[in-house]
Amino acid sequence: SAVISQKPSRDICQRGTSLTIQCQVDSQVTMMFWYRQQPGQSLTLIATANQGSEATYESGFVIDKFPISRPNLTFSTLTVSNMSPEDSSIYLCSVQILAGLPDTQYFGPGTRLTVL
Amino acid sequence: AQSVTQPDIHITVSEGASLELRCNYSYGATPYLFWYVQSPGQGLQLLLKYFSGDTLVQGIKGFEAEFKRSQSSFNLRKPSVHWSDAAEYFCALYNTNAGKSTFGDGTTLTVKP
Repeated sequence: SAVISQKPSRDICQRGTSLTIQCQVDSQVTMMFWYRQQPGQSLTLIATANQGSEATYESGFVIDKFPISRPNLTFSTLTVSNMSPEDSSIYLCSVQILAGLPDTQYFGPGTRLTVL
Repeated sequence: AQSVTQPDIHITVSEGASLELRCNYSYGATPYLFWYVQSPGQGLQLLLKYFSGDTLVQGIKGFEAEFKRSQSSFNLRKPSVHWSDAAEYFCALYNTNAGKSTFGDGTTLTVKP
């Protein structure tokens, strides 16, 4: 299993600013994912954070808007850049211990972002 | 293309009553299926998963799910619901080619006293 913490747990930000969300895992994991969950909706995968290389982004998400870092196997950050009210959402970090095989995903508690 | 459909957006049941949450999937290969629960203000937690073998799988908190290939379904059940079961429930399907999961839109469960 894996225990995931996220910082901050919530924030209120002004339009045009940026926020960096941190995700820390208590063990080394292969796969790390960043999701967005808008109010009352399901999870939308933003990107897969790859250790030592550029993240793999899903359709509709770009690196300039959501830069991701993953310096090691236990830590990742997601930055939401040049924010607008449409970015108000819950951002979830998730990990999967095994790569390339069906496996349980473990989720952090989420970061609730409100953009004014 | 693969997809996961949870037909019920919102379900309300009385405490002590039985529960069934529906999940239908579309996938061309062997499905690997999951049910997760999200309590308010929390991340998702795995309830149970199906990879192969016995089509009736047991999970945590008294939940079970039955895989029915002929109906492309993986419905979640609980014989007697507790007030603490009020949450959002997500069905997910793992895509082995893509190496990631697709989640359904979720079902919100309300439990009446």
